[in-house]
Amino acid sequence: QQQVKQSPQSLIVQKGGISIINCAYENTAFDYFPWYQQFPGKGPALLIAIRPDVSEKKEGRFTISFNKSAKQFSLHIMDSQPGDSATYFCAALFGNEKLTFGTGTRLTIIP
Amino acid sequence: DAGVTQSPTHLIKTRGQHVTLRCSPISGHKSVSWYQQVLGQGPQFIFQYYEKEERGRGNFPDRFSARQFPNYSSELNVNALLLGDSALYLCASSIRDNTEAFFGQGTRLTVV
Repeated sequence: QQQVKQSPQSLIVQKGGISIINCAYENTAFDYFPWYQQFPGKGPALLIAIRPDVSEKKEGRFTISFNKSAKQFSLHIMDSQPGDSATYFCAALFGNEKLTFGTGTRLTIIP
Repeated sequence: DAGVTQSPTHLIKTRGQHVTLRCSPISGHKSVSWYQQVLGQGPQFIFQYYEKEERGRGNFPDRFSARQFPNYSSELNVNALLLGDSALYLCASSIRDNTEAFFGQGTRLTVV
């Protein structure tokens, strides 16, 4: 049972553009929503995270937008750079339970 | 500061064999979780340990087992390996629960 749905599966964005990745969840008990960045051959790296009591969180070029009523959240990467090319995973967590990951988005930034 | 370290980085095993994967968490982190990542998919939860006690178990067969030691390092054991066990095995450490979980570089297991 997939509890976190992620889209798109792949995304190509021009350098300097905005990359947007979307996730939707089913379990309303989830209370922590992180995004991870993974480069080939490496483990996922925590990028940014949000809790449902805020609608937006920004760290540098990365912003999470959160819509509690729609049970959706998204990652925005502003001024996308070739070094941002990686696979991005959204995830959700409830209390002390396990992280539930989305299926991933392969992002490619082209010059 | 050292991050999460996993060993070995790569491993090739024959079907039916047994494998032990090791993980050292970040200093001060008492929770260790194991995930399996098949190529092209997101990580799937296998186990979580906190203070040497199993806190959670994912939907994996009994061939998978794990333990945590007094120094908070952990081992993942897989018996009777199947071809389908080929994957990247990830260890994540966190202070207590799974918020701000930091992953190691993983162990790439290939079963032939």
